[in-house]
Amino acid sequence: EAGVTQSPTHLIKTRGQQATLRCSPISGHTSVYWYQQALGLGLQFLLWYDEGEERNRGNFPPRFSGRQFPNYSSELNVNALELEDSALYLCASSLVGRNEQFFGPGTRLTVL
Amino acid sequence: DAKTTQPNSMESNEEEPVHLPCNHSTISGTDYIHWYRQLPSQGPEYVIHGLTSNVNNRMASLAIAEDRKSSTLILHRATLRDAAVYYCIARGNQGGKLIFGQGTELSVKP
Repeated sequence: EAGVTQSPTHLIKTRGQQATLRCSPISGHTSVYWYQQALGLGLQFLLWYDEGEERNRGNFPPRFSGRQFPNYSSELNVNALELEDSALYLCASSLVGRNEQFFGPGTRLTVL
Repeated sequence: DAKTTQPNSMESNEEEPVHLPCNHSTISGTDYIHWYRQLPSQGPEYVIHGLTSNVNNRMASLAIAEDRKSSTLILHRATLRDAAVYYCIARGNQGGKLIFGQGTELSVKP
């Protein structure tokens, strides 16, 4: 069974640009989560989508947004990139209401 | 979700058992204790979770104190592949976000 996949693996952008990160959950999983892992800040929760709806949002500005498609894949958009947005962005999926979250390998975003 | 406290780092020798402690003194009666680990250059990986009773799976054992204010993740025979950051999380059982603390960085010596 395929795990959570994320694309691209690496992304390099400049300040002010927009970045789009993609995630495909494990087949049958309807919940998708996004986390940011910046150097020195640890893993921080960004967004949770389930059945196409945003269920919860972490303490991040509105320029971090996303969506979940009918096939449960998800997209994270970061507008007006800032240097501090450089981080590893991790996507996880789970069956709704279940404890275990399964993480993808992440997208390394570098903002120059 | 209850706050958890873990040591920053621990060392172990290969083939020996490892006991990773976690304090969660403000845990509520319905919060589960979850453990994840993150190997270098990878996303976190689910290890185990439990509520009151001790739990075992093929990766590890989870020992939960009777008052539930602390727990211990037990790796029965550490291997080099177990070197990772281990995160203890206390939260409800209805899904939703995970709140990661700083975790314990485990190093395993050959």
